[in-house]
Amino acid sequence: DQQVKQNSPSLSVQEGRISILNCDYTNSMFDYFLWYKKYPAEGPTFLISISSIKDKNEDGRFTVFLNKSAKHLSLHIVPSQPGDSAVYFCAASAPGTGNQFYFGTGTSLTVIP
Amino acid sequence: GAGVSQTPSNKVTEKGKYVELRCDPISGHTALYWYRQSLGQGPEFLIYFQGTGAADDSGLPNDRFFAVRPEGSVSTLKIQRTERGDSAVYLCASSPTRTLNEQFFGPGTRLTVL
Repeated sequence: DQQVKQNSPSLSVQEGRISILNCDYTNSMFDYFLWYKKYPAEGPTFLISISSIKDKNEDGRFTVFLNKSAKHLSLHIVPSQPGDSAVYFCAASAPGTGNQFYFGTGTSLTVIP
Repeated sequence: GAGVSQTPSNKVTEKGKYVELRCDPISGHTALYWYRQSLGQGPEFLIYFQGTGAADDSGLPNDRFFAVRPEGSVSTLKIQRTERGDSAVYLCASSPTRTLNEQFFGPGTRLTVL
């Protein structure tokens, strides 16, 4: 049962434009959300996170938006750069679940120079 | 400083064999996690250690899977009587505390069961 879903397996964006990656979840108990970035043959790297008490968190070119009523979060990258090309995973955690993350299936982002 | 390392990077084995996968966390990190990533899927939680003890092993799929961390640093994931369905990338992550946002992942071990 996939509790975190990324329905777009891939996304292509022109360099300099905005990349928007989407993530939906089903478990209303999730209270912490993260985005990880993964290059081939490497482990995922933490990118940005957001707590359920917020609806937006920004870190440089990366902004995560959380819509709790819709159980939806998105990652905005602006401006997109070729080095951003990677697979992006969203993950979520619920209190009392032993610090385990539930990951989505990933979205492969390609930024075209 | 060194990140999380995992050995071997690749492991090919035959169905029914026993395998051990090793994880060296970042020095001083007390929390250690194992995940499994199957093709086309995101990482799936297996087990979490806080120090030497398994604080949560609810993700282990069955009793063929076992993990240890005897001295609170290096961890070994052990799989008995491997099956073709065990083929996946096994990821290890460590964290300095129990904080949620600082899980540092290793490059993974790609296990192929023939």
